[in-house]
Amino acid sequence: DTGVSQDPRHKITKRGQNVTFRCDPISEHNRLYWYRQTLGQGPEFLTYFQNEAQLEKSRLLSDRFSAERPKGSFSTLEIQRTEQGDSAMYLCASSSDARGGSYEQYFGPGTRLTVT
Amino acid sequence: GDSVTQMEGPVTLSEEAFLTINCTYTATGYPSLFWYVQYPGEGLQLLLKATKADDKGSNKGFEATYRKETTSFHLEKGSVQVSDSAVYFCALTHASGGSYIPTFGRGTSLIVHP
Repeated sequence: DTGVSQDPRHKITKRGQNVTFRCDPISEHNRLYWYRQTLGQGPEFLTYFQNEAQLEKSRLLSDRFSAERPKGSFSTLEIQRTEQGDSAMYLCASSSDARGGSYEQYFGPGTRLTVT
Repeated sequence: GDSVTQMEGPVTLSEEAFLTINCTYTATGYPSLFWYVQYPGEGLQLLLKATKADDKGSNKGFEATYRKETTSFHLEKGSVQVSDSAVYFCALTHASGGSYIPTFGRGTSLIVHP
């Protein structure tokens, strides 16, 4: 397994445009998480999935943010009508839901978004 | 809600010095505790973990002990190397039921000089 991958690695967009990021988790992991990380801060939880079910989305930053995981494999995070304040690194992570597991997460390299 | 507090950085040390990075947490129940490391230009990777009180996690010469009485999980290394220069994040997760939201500290930057 090659680990968690994210695409694109960098995205520059103009304010008001929509952007979509993709995350491919480790294949045997059924949990998938999205985070935002700004400079000098730790990862800020946005949402997570168990298989295709989105179990927690109250932390999505606004209704402009949405995420999907239609077949329980890869996931997408979409930001509509981007604002300059959305500029950040968006991280994806996955973990196994195995019984007795400690839910340690494996992170992708992130997608850096710059909104101009 | 849950929270994780780490000591402010940067921590600057000479090679072979002793390292401590403090981490305390606030959480209900019995969370699992983690240290993640982020090297320049890379994603976060798990360094070590502990899942119950008094457990000691260790990896690559780093160690941390889950202290429930002081709600702490301090990271230590006896002799740091230049290659340990990175940002270290303390984190917690709840491994059972309810709303599941992993919580990270804001990170502590470590700079090791030759």
